[in-house]
Amino acid sequence: DTAVSQTPKYLVTQMGNDKSIKCEQNLGHDTMYWYKQDSKKFLKIMFSYNNKELIINETVPNRFSPKSPDKAHLNLHINSLELGDSAVYFCASSQGTGTNEQFFGPGTRLTVL
Amino acid sequence: AQSVTQLDSHVSVSEGTPVLLRCNYSSSYSPSLFWYVQHPNKGLQLLLKYTSAATLVKGINGFEAEFKKSETSFHLTKPSAHMSDAAEYFCVVSDGNTDKLIFGTGTRLQVFP
Repeated sequence: DTAVSQTPKYLVTQMGNDKSIKCEQNLGHDTMYWYKQDSKKFLKIMFSYNNKELIINETVPNRFSPKSPDKAHLNLHINSLELGDSAVYFCASSQGTGTNEQFFGPGTRLTVL
Repeated sequence: AQSVTQLDSHVSVSEGTPVLLRCNYSSSYSPSLFWYVQHPNKGLQLLLKYTSAATLVKGINGFEAEFKKSETSFHLTKPSAHMSDAAEYFCVVSDGNTDKLIFGTGTRLQVFP
């Protein structure tokens, strides 16, 4: 039983395209996150949603738009992809925020050519 | 602002020898601190967390960490390394104002037979 799942696992696309990454959690958590991990393994939060409401929105280009249709899903849509968007994107979930453990998905490796 | 510094980007040990992964934090108040592990091509998994209870925290897989306020440190240790411990380890602090997790740059642990 996968707790936090992401699709696709790998995504290779051309510059300028629009793509989406989907995330689902079956843990009953109320908070979900998107993180970006660059080629040097540095991990930084992009967004978080609590009960479908945006809580954290870091200084991310507005080409990135998260959408949470319900508490169990948080999708990431990226418009006009750029070379610098190449990274591994991780979805995570937790019950509440702060000190509560975050459960991470397996990641989506995005390569922009 | 909260931050963490992982003092070593790479640590190599022989199987059966002790592991020490160093982390220093900066926080204007009593922080919540975590260690996460990332195995190759996998998501992150929580090893242990400190949230102002006991200063010596025991985690999974035989790891533990000690919170030392006087040294602003939260080093991760394990008495005897196993080959399966080879992974990337992240020291993390929770930003109490925003509930964001702020990640260190990671330490890659290699374990030699």
